[in-house]
Amino acid sequence: RKEVEQDPGPFNVPEGATVAFNCTYSNSASQSFFWYRQDCRKEPKLLMSVYSSGNEDGRFTAQLNRASQYISLLIRDSKLSDSATYLCVVIDYGGSQGNLIFGKGTKLSVKP
Amino acid sequence: NAGVMQNPRHLVRRRGQEARLRCSPMKGHSHVYWYRQLPEEGLKFMVYLQKENIIDESGMPKERFSAEFPKEGPSILRIQQVVRGDSAAYFCASSGDRASYEQYFGPGTRLTVT
Repeated sequence: RKEVEQDPGPFNVPEGATVAFNCTYSNSASQSFFWYRQDCRKEPKLLMSVYSSGNEDGRFTAQLNRASQYISLLIRDSKLSDSATYLCVVIDYGGSQGNLIFGKGTKLSVKP
Repeated sequence: NAGVMQNPRHLVRRRGQEARLRCSPMKGHSHVYWYRQLPEEGLKFMVYLQKENIIDESGMPKERFSAEFPKEGPSILRIQQVVRGDSAAYFCASSGDRASYEQYFGPGTRLTVT
């Protein structure tokens, strides 16, 4: 089983739509969770951290369900500029010593 | 305040040649990480370094790959005798505090092996 799994998409949505991405992780000892955004042929950029209580940053809401080992990202009122690949990232203690473990990403395309 | 810098941005090598990729961390950061992204794949951790020390190289291929972060100068990822399968984007990230886990990425070096 892969460590971090995401639906690759693509998700094609119109401007203004609400879209949700899901991610599952295999290591129950995982401690820290993030969503990164990667534009085509660019470097990943930190979008937001994900906390157990859930957190919101403007149009973006992230949720964590430790029991189900599941992370989600909700984008409301999609903008054209939201088009990118969204990477689910997990850190766990132990062998990886806290290095980032990336999912393959979910591609989002927002159309006019 | 310059971010993480990598050079070259694009590198073309013939099979069997050596590739050297450089990374200068963000000012004030002393932790450097290298990741590789193969076409249509996610980023994979390769190595974590601090100044003059390799802390974790569990993601490095056993042969042909090496990394260093000298006391002075950038971190270097070196690939000897490159093969076509080494063609990928190589990203460097830095962090100022290991505990924070917030890593900032450079623009990457795209290596093409012909």
